[in-house]
Amino acid sequence: SQTIHQWPATLVQPVGSPLSLECTVEGTSNPNLYWYRQAAGRGLQLLFYSVGIGQISSEVPQNLSASRPQDRQFILSSKKLLLSDSGFYLCAWSPNRWGGYTFGSGTRLTVV
Amino acid sequence: GENVEQHPSTLSVQEGDSAVIKCTYSDSASNYFPWYKQELGKRPQLIIDIRSNVGEKKDQRIAVTLNKTAKHFSLHITETQPEDSAVYFCAASGDNYGQNFVFGPGTRLSVLP
Repeated sequence: SQTIHQWPATLVQPVGSPLSLECTVEGTSNPNLYWYRQAAGRGLQLLFYSVGIGQISSEVPQNLSASRPQDRQFILSSKKLLLSDSGFYLCAWSPNRWGGYTFGSGTRLTVV
Repeated sequence: GENVEQHPSTLSVQEGDSAVIKCTYSDSASNYFPWYKQELGKRPQLIIDIRSNVGEKKDQRIAVTLNKTAKHFSLHITETQPEDSAVYFCAASGDNYGQNFVFGPGTRLSVLP
């Protein structure tokens, strides 16, 4: 069966520090991969999605970036965090064709 | 592009009553409509979905209805229980934008004992 791993679960980082969140999927190949952000009490904002290795699409201009160095690995990064980057970050995957999203357990990022 | 609206934003019901959450979408090409439940501090989880070739789907106390002509779909929860309290998100997806979902803003459901 397929599983998705996301880490770390919580993170407190100072403003201006770098960020790296990692997500991996097991049990499937060529998944669609997604990064979402959820501000406190708010909806799900799509940040990046990827349909294959090295293929990244950005939905929202920001100081975050994403990379997909391997088929089942998706990384969210920032060179310098802003206070507004605080939130709950969710990785998700879906089959290449059809099927619902499966979300990772999320990373709660607090920028101080 | 697709736009998904969701109502109400908050909903309180007495335990045992029914709850209905409605979503509308703008792109007539959308053909897959999942619903997610997110408990406090946890990940959203798929609870039910429906495809455009089906008008209604039921899974125990949860049902989803779809009206393609009117471009709206609804989540129905019967005999609500306190553990149904959560934020519920609807979403729409279609070939026009690959498998990317457009989520509604969410509904916070509170089931009062």
